[in-house]
Amino acid sequence: DAGITQSPRHKVTETGTPVTLRCHQTENHRYMYWYRQDPGHGLRLIHYSYGVKDTDKGEVSDGYSVSRSKTEDFLLTLESATSSQTSVYFCAISSKDYQPQHFGDGTRLSIL
Amino acid sequence: GESVGLHLPTLSVQEGDNSIINCAYSNSASDYFIWYKQESGKGPQFIIDIRSNMDKRQGQRVTVLLNKTVKHLSLQIAATQPGDSAVYFCAEKGSVSGTSYGKLTFGQGTILTVHP
Repeated sequence: DAGITQSPRHKVTETGTPVTLRCHQTENHRYMYWYRQDPGHGLRLIHYSYGVKDTDKGEVSDGYSVSRSKTEDFLLTLESATSSQTSVYFCAISSKDYQPQHFGDGTRLSIL
Repeated sequence: GESVGLHLPTLSVQEGDNSIINCAYSNSASDYFIWYKQESGKGPQFIIDIRSNMDKRQGQRVTVLLNKTVKHLSLQIAATQPGDSAVYFCAEKGSVSGTSYGKLTFGQGTILTVHP
């Protein structure tokens, strides 16, 4: 597997609390992505990064923010978690256009 | 599209059979396609990719066929094994001017079950 580590792997928290998920890569890839995967919707892009401090919104970015202060780390933050954000979150990396994305093993997040 | 894990198309085969998994795409401007395999509790795993200037590409036990005329992609798995049981889905990259930052659009998949 590509060197991608997501943490934590599982988390249960309460509505209204902040949550930060971390993605760490050892591949020195330029592009990083956060997805959520839900029954009925498949993989949906939340935010992506095309370099250090360079990020942009995906199709389901409301309620989420990201930061990338160094190449290897991409953080996803839920400022005030809601039950609708219960999901499995995947981080992916890619070296450039026309190269496949490689995925981490996900974070299962439950918001009660 | 369909849902991961709910109401997905299913394909059931016997061990040793060949499997064919299909994917229809809608964007005629897409110029790069990828197949992924996802096992329960894991992230999607890259299998094989193909550019739109090709219509066939082979890997180890897998072949991807691209028919741009009807916007159809297929994954063929030879001599299917129980370890091939998973959800398989395709992804496409739309052609844009400049860079798309590697962004992909994902289909929702087919559940493959291989019986010993």
